[in-house]
Amino acid sequence: SQKIEQNSEALNIQEGKTATLTCNYTNYSPAYLQWYRQDPGRGPVFLLLIRENEKEKRKERLKVTFDTTLKQSLFHITASQPADSATYLCALDGTGSARQLTFGSGTQLTVLP
Amino acid sequence: DAGVIQSPRHEVTEMGQEVTLRCKPISGHNSLFWYRQTMMRGLELLIYFNNNVPIDDSGMPEDRFSAKMPNASFSTLKIQPSEPRDSAVYFCASSLGLAGGWQFFGPGTRLTVL
Repeated sequence: SQKIEQNSEALNIQEGKTATLTCNYTNYSPAYLQWYRQDPGRGPVFLLLIRENEKEKRKERLKVTFDTTLKQSLFHITASQPADSATYLCALDGTGSARQLTFGSGTQLTVLP
Repeated sequence: DAGVIQSPRHEVTEMGQEVTLRCKPISGHNSLFWYRQTMMRGLELLIYFNNNVPIDDSGMPEDRFSAKMPNASFSTLKIQPSEPRDSAVYFCASSLGLAGGWQFFGPGTRLTVL
């Protein structure tokens, strides 16, 4: 069955450094992959989408890569700030009839001042 | 636009009681999703509507759960009877329904069943 794994439940980094979060998947070939941010007590918020034929996508300090051979997406936050502290979820289109999203369990990022 | 609106934000009820969660999607969005989030299982899709029609309800845990979408601006998720294991945060999300389209989530309803 389709499986999504995100690296370590929690990641702590120092302010100013680059945070790198990993999303691995098995038993599927998604057409696209999305990243969301979730703050405590709130719903997930969409950040970036990358398609299977795209290697990299950037938005301000965010960068996403998508390697369909490795079945992996990397999510980078450069020049990280304490305000970037949140849980980050990856999601890929699933095997349902409408290819609706399946979410990973998330990585909790803490940026230390 | 106010975004996706959910009510109530918090619900505490006793086992066996009926619970109704409500959602108003973003105007113009034709797809609506109900999710459940717990620490153990993460964010799980319960049911998906497109143009008010249920497309995939394979994630609905059991017959105690039911969802309706009587029109494009309103949906309900009902649990009857509720059980302690139903305690979770329930999210509603909407999207334009395009392939690859991202979803806009509501603030969620935190349900506690005692």
